[in-house]
Amino acid sequence: ETGVTQTPRHLVMGMTNKKSLKCEQHLGHNAMYWYKQSAKKPLELMFVYSLEERVENNSVPSRFSPECPNSSHLFLHLHTLQPEDSALYLCASSSQGGGEQFFGPGTRLTVL
Amino acid sequence: GQNIDQPTEMTATEGAIVQINCTYQTSGFNGLFWYQQHAGEAPTFLSYNVLDGLEEKGRFSSFLSRSKGYSYLLLKELQMKDSASYLCAARRSNDYKLSFGAGTTVTVRA
Repeated sequence: ETGVTQTPRHLVMGMTNKKSLKCEQHLGHNAMYWYKQSAKKPLELMFVYSLEERVENNSVPSRFSPECPNSSHLFLHLHTLQPEDSALYLCASSSQGGGEQFFGPGTRLTVL
Repeated sequence: GQNIDQPTEMTATEGAIVQINCTYQTSGFNGLFWYQQHAGEAPTFLSYNVLDGLEEKGRFSSFLSRSKGYSYLLLKELQMKDSASYLCAARRSNDYKLSFGAGTTVTVRA
C-alpha cells in the first residue's frame, strides 16, 4: 500500500464524453503529479502541483484539465479525448523539493 | 535537456544475477532513482543515488557514476517475483521533475 489511491482503476469512454480521474494521497505530501504511461514509452510528466499551485504544464492538450483543490486531492478532467489518449494515467506525490515520488496504481483509460 | 537510455528487455534464470544499465544526459543532474513496476501496478521506489558509489539494499544494489552519466541496478539471487519492469529516472537540481527511461522488462525463468 503506497498511500496514494486512484479512482477509477479502469475507464472506457467515448470521444464525446466528459469524465474525471481522481487521486488522493494520505502521506502528508504537498506536491502532486499526473503522468501518462503508454506501452513501451517513458513515463510522460503532464502536470505538477506544489502547495496546490500548478508549477508545471508540459504542453498538454487542453482536453486534459487538472484541478488541485487541496494538498491531498488531485483531479484530471477529461473531455473530447482522442483514441491516442488511451493509456495508463498515474498519479504521484512527494514532499516539496522533489523527494522520492510515491505512485498510485493508475487508471487504465480506453478511448473509443 | 533529458535523455535516459536503458535496455528494453533482459532475461535471466532464477538464482542468477542481472545488471540493468542506465545512461543519462541531464542538465543540472541531482540524483538517480530506480523504480520497479509489475504489470498493471504502480511503480514502487527501489533506490536513490546522488553521490558516486554503490548503495546496497538486500538483494538489490544501485551504482552511480556522475562523471560518466551512468547508473546500474544489480539484482542478485533472482526470484520469479522479480519479473517486472525496472524504470530509471534522473532528477534535476531544484526541480520537481523526474525524467524516466522507457523501462527494462526483466523476465526471470525457472
